[in-house]
Amino acid sequence: DIQVTQSPSSLSASVGDRVTITCRASQTISSWLAWYQQKPGKAPKLLIYKASSLEGGVPSRFSGSGSGTEFTLTISSLQPDDFATYYCQQYNSYSRTFGQGTRVEIK
Amino acid sequence: QVQLVESGGGLVKPGGSLRLSCAASGFTFSDYYMGWFRQAPGKGLEWVSYISSRGDNIYYADSVKGRFTISRDNAKNSLYLQVDSLRAEDTAVYYCIRYGTFDIWGQGTMVTVSS
Repeated sequence: DIQVTQSPSSLSASVGDRVTITCRASQTISSWLAWYQQKPGKAPKLLIYKASSLEGGVPSRFSGSGSGTEFTLTISSLQPDDFATYYCQQYNSYSRTFGQGTRVEIK
Repeated sequence: QVQLVESGGGLVKPGGSLRLSCAASGFTFSDYYMGWFRQAPGKGLEWVSYISSRGDNIYYADSVKGRFTISRDNAKNSLYLQVDSLRAEDTAVYYCIRYGTFDIWGQGTMVTVSS
């Protein structure tokens, strides 16, 4: 199975900060990586797919980059609504795997 | 629009069983691979099972192999997960998933295993 390692596990940031979250896959997955945002009690919400494609309706302050084994989610200017947990997911194989999650908290 | 609606969750005793269902709409169900993910309370996300569009290829996570059975009825646009021999660690929200260029998720159904 493809393992996905996400870092950091949590971070504290202020409104307006630039935030970067990283995922590393144990083998190449081309661009088959997605990023999700999850708030308590809700299903994960898709932000980015195919590593860098922005899902419709998602603010442009979210962006994704990378290919192969190294990927990054960037929030260019953190907004109050962005405090949540973020997950990466590889979907190169039928057995999807997820990063451990990054909790973004208010500093 | 694409919609996946899960049902069938609930409270069950250890060793018990449930049948989770997922009603799909807004797309040609028989064209898509489908699956189930789950998330235990306060924990991360876990892939559970996959089924091909015709149901002829099926895979399970090691944690559920031999206890869970995925199936589909393309005539009814429905996906199922029979969950047997339930354990406390199976307590989770179970999500129905449509595989694709990106995955589409339902809102989930809660399964609680407790005596």
